[in-house]
Amino acid sequence: SSELTQDPAVSVALGQTVRITCQGDSLRSYYASWYQQKPGQAPILVIYGKNNRPSGIPDRFSGSSSGNIASLTITGAQAEDEADYYCNSRDNSGNLVIFGGGTKLTVL
Amino acid sequence: QVQLVQSGAEVKKPGASVKVSCKASGYTFTSYDINWVRQATGQGLEWMGWMNPNSGDTGYVQKFQGRVTMTRDTSISTAYMELSSLRSEDTAVYFCARPGYSGYDSENYYYGLDVWGQGTTVTVSS
Repeated sequence: SSELTQDPAVSVALGQTVRITCQGDSLRSYYASWYQQKPGQAPILVIYGKNNRPSGIPDRFSGSSSGNIASLTITGAQAEDEADYYCNSRDNSGNLVIFGGGTKLTVL
Repeated sequence: QVQLVQSGAEVKKPGASVKVSCKASGYTFTSYDINWVRQATGQGLEWMGWMNPNSGDTGYVQKFQGRVTMTRDTSISTAYMELSSLRSEDTAVYFCARPGYSGYDSENYYYGLDVWGQGTTVTVSS
């Protein structure tokens, strides 16, 4: 089965740019989607497809991919961006959905 | 507005079953699959499976095969996830979610869960 690998933790200074990555074989066929989750809340979709933001998501969030690595970039990180971030995609068979282990983002 | 509203918290004994509901509103219930995702305290998101509310077709992660059943009642736009033979490791928050962004552009497929329920806490304890 496929897996998606994320760094457990990343930190960024307030107002700076941070990139969160997600690696997996399925990402050669599927774009990663990215979710933000704050404590006690349901996840929120922030990026899907090549680089699409659902309505209401600030444009400081962007997505990209190259080969088997997908990236979520936050340009000018804000204090409210401190959260856990998860990537997901379908697995190689297309039948299952897989999530990365999550990255805890700290805004310093 | 488009939303998924889940049933309330449950406390169950080991070996029992739990049935969590997920009521859809603001969109045509049968137009989108429903996914179920769970999250143990302090852990990541774990996808459990999906259900097509139109056909009733389902797909489950092998880990849950034989213990999970996903059903729906289209007359009330509600999906259900039942998990049986509960054990302490099933203690988690259970979410339903809608894959509102699913398709293919000129390069790759994409699959995004755009609407989530608020989560249902299931505690398994003797």
